[in-house]
Amino acid sequence: NAGVTQTPKFRILKIGQSMTLQCAQDMNHNYMYWYRQDPGMGLKLIYYSVGAGITDKGEVPNGYNVSRSTTEDFPLRLELAAPSQTSVYFCASSPRDRGMYEQYFGPGTRLTVT
Amino acid sequence: EDKVVQSPLSLVVHEGDTVTLNCSYEVTNFRSLLWYKQEKKAPTFLFMLTSSGIEKKSGRLSSILDKKELFSILNITATQTGDSAVYLCAVSQGGSEKLVFGKGMKLTVNP
Repeated sequence: NAGVTQTPKFRILKIGQSMTLQCAQDMNHNYMYWYRQDPGMGLKLIYYSVGAGITDKGEVPNGYNVSRSTTEDFPLRLELAAPSQTSVYFCASSPRDRGMYEQYFGPGTRLTVT
Repeated sequence: EDKVVQSPLSLVVHEGDTVTLNCSYEVTNFRSLLWYKQEKKAPTFLFMLTSSGIEKKSGRLSSILDKKELFSILNITATQTGDSAVYLCAVSQGGSEKLVFGKGMKLTVNP
């Protein structure tokens, strides 16, 4: 099992550009999450999904969009990049619907917006 | 406001020392507390605690939850340089999908 994979590992965007962060998992988890981690801070939930076709906002959804067309994939879209979106982004998945609440994280994408 | 507070925020020890990491929380509808280890990349899951007073153990790491006093500790005995990492504490709430994370505690183990 590859677990949770994310691409790209690093990206530099100019203000106003758009991009999609990719996330995939091969553990057949229905629950998936996107977090951002700013320096010296804990992780903040951006969006989550409880299954294919179902998504919902987390704590800090503004400036982001998601889709979940398959169980495996959960891409995160930034439409108009802003410097405040400079952060490390983590995708996670969970066997939450089987009564297990732990989340398994991907390696992260470091994004810089200048 | 829901919050998770970790202390100390950083700690430097020598190999072989024993360390105790603290995590206190104030959240509504507590469900479980989770510990993660974060090295250079992704947080990796260590423990999940839901019941008070029951110790979870894995090798040199152990953790216990006190639901009355609203805190958990993570113990690492006979520390090794490979234990150097940021340790994250997070709380899961009933009726919510988010994990409330603390800011993390940076542990440095020197040879």
